[in-house]
Amino acid sequence: DVKVTQSSRYLVKRTGEKVFLECVQDMDHENMFWYRQDPGLGLRLIYFSYDVKMKEKGDIPEGYSVSREKKERFSLILESASTNQTSMYLCASSPLGTSGRAGGNTGELFFGEGSRLTVL
Amino acid sequence: LAKTTQPISMDSYEGQEVNITCSHNNIATNDYITWYQQFPSQGPRFIIQGYKTKVTNEVASLFIPADRKSSTLSLPRVSLSDTAVYYCLVGLTGGGNKLTFGTGTQLKVEL
Repeated sequence: DVKVTQSSRYLVKRTGEKVFLECVQDMDHENMFWYRQDPGLGLRLIYFSYDVKMKEKGDIPEGYSVSREKKERFSLILESASTNQTSMYLCASSPLGTSGRAGGNTGELFFGEGSRLTVL
Repeated sequence: LAKTTQPISMDSYEGQEVNITCSHNNIATNDYITWYQQFPSQGPRFIIQGYKTKVTNEVASLFIPADRKSSTLSLPRVSLSDTAVYYCLVGLTGGGNKLTFGTGTQLKVEL
């Protein structure tokens, strides 16, 4: 069965702390994504990666960075957490699309359960 | 990037058919339309995907008119367990894309 695992369901951090959110998928998918979800704003894409060591900015990358050293793992990093980064963070993965082109995907994203981060 | 617009919320009763429409006026030629369902405290789950005309699976149907500027997710005979947020996603599946979600539609099903 398809599995995307996020390391922590709930985190509480202080302003200025460095925060790591880890995501692991066991489906050998090329593409991985980080979204944040806030009431009234839906899901907003932070970063995505279509290959190891490759990353692309999403719609709201400011204040975040990512790391993909292995195909199955995609990490979201908050260098200096701020209160406006309090949110639900969702990781997703998807397989390469039928075109075979890098960055292509089937459009079917598999999501983890989410990590609810509170920054005090 | 194709932006999507959906109603913020809809109410229905058990046994009724529910149709949720998504507008995507600037959809690109290679964009597919995908719908997701999300329950509280869970990640979204894929429901159905289409490119044009009609697609049906065991869960829902997706209707896409010829101009593809909108799409309608149809849920037949909803039950209480269909209460969820439904997202329309429009994006390029052929390569080099940012899959951007809209704000979603909160469907509430009552007895």
